[in-house]
Amino acid sequence: ETGVTQSPTHLIKTRGQQVTLRCSSQSGHNTVSWYQQALGQGPQFIFQYYREEENGRGNFPPRFSGLQFPNYSSELNVNALELDDSALYLCASSSASGGDNEQFFGPGTRLTVL
Amino acid sequence: QKEVEQNSGPLSVPEGAIASLNCTYSDRGSQSFFWYRQYSGKSPELIMFIYSNGDKEDGRFTAQLNKASQYVSLLIRDSQPSDSATYLCAVNGDSNYQLIWGAGTKLIIKP
Repeated sequence: ETGVTQSPTHLIKTRGQQVTLRCSSQSGHNTVSWYQQALGQGPQFIFQYYREEENGRGNFPPRFSGLQFPNYSSELNVNALELDDSALYLCASSSASGGDNEQFFGPGTRLTVL
Repeated sequence: QKEVEQNSGPLSVPEGAIASLNCTYSDRGSQSFFWYRQYSGKSPELIMFIYSNGDKEDGRFTAQLNKASQYVSLLIRDSQPSDSATYLCAVNGDSNYQLIWGAGTKLIIKP
């Protein structure tokens, strides 16, 4: 157990809908990174939030957006869902910004877009 | 485009033997290297990280880093069936916020 929680566990949406995924970081961690993991692939970096500001972004379109709250929990919002958005969405918390810090993952949200 | 390459496997190893997993990376400037284990349907869990050339041991696990050849490996001694999982290699990218991941190697430990 990493102390990182995500909700919901599973979600089914239809194409064109919008979805919000939530993540609570481990106690003492101020940085949250979001990843998309398609079946059989490694995680793909979406973006990172550090102290409520976006700290960096991967190669994802603007319909992927996020938020971090004062308690360092975070949301990932995806608008205009596409079939290819079906994946496991992972959040990871760490104690400082930067990709060279140990990141601890939550259990993930499995999103299915029909 | 920064890349991390892993053999997808599956790699089949008898119980009690040494499992050797390899990873190569393209960015010569990478400084931090991580090995994660991921069971089917679960999220990745950190096994080890290594920053310096050479070996780093933690229990049955040894990470080896060779920056000149741009590879990092993970050895698992006395392999157990519970070690059967996908092993992901991750490397920090040229942006200080990002990890770049390989696609993982599926390891099967046969009793």
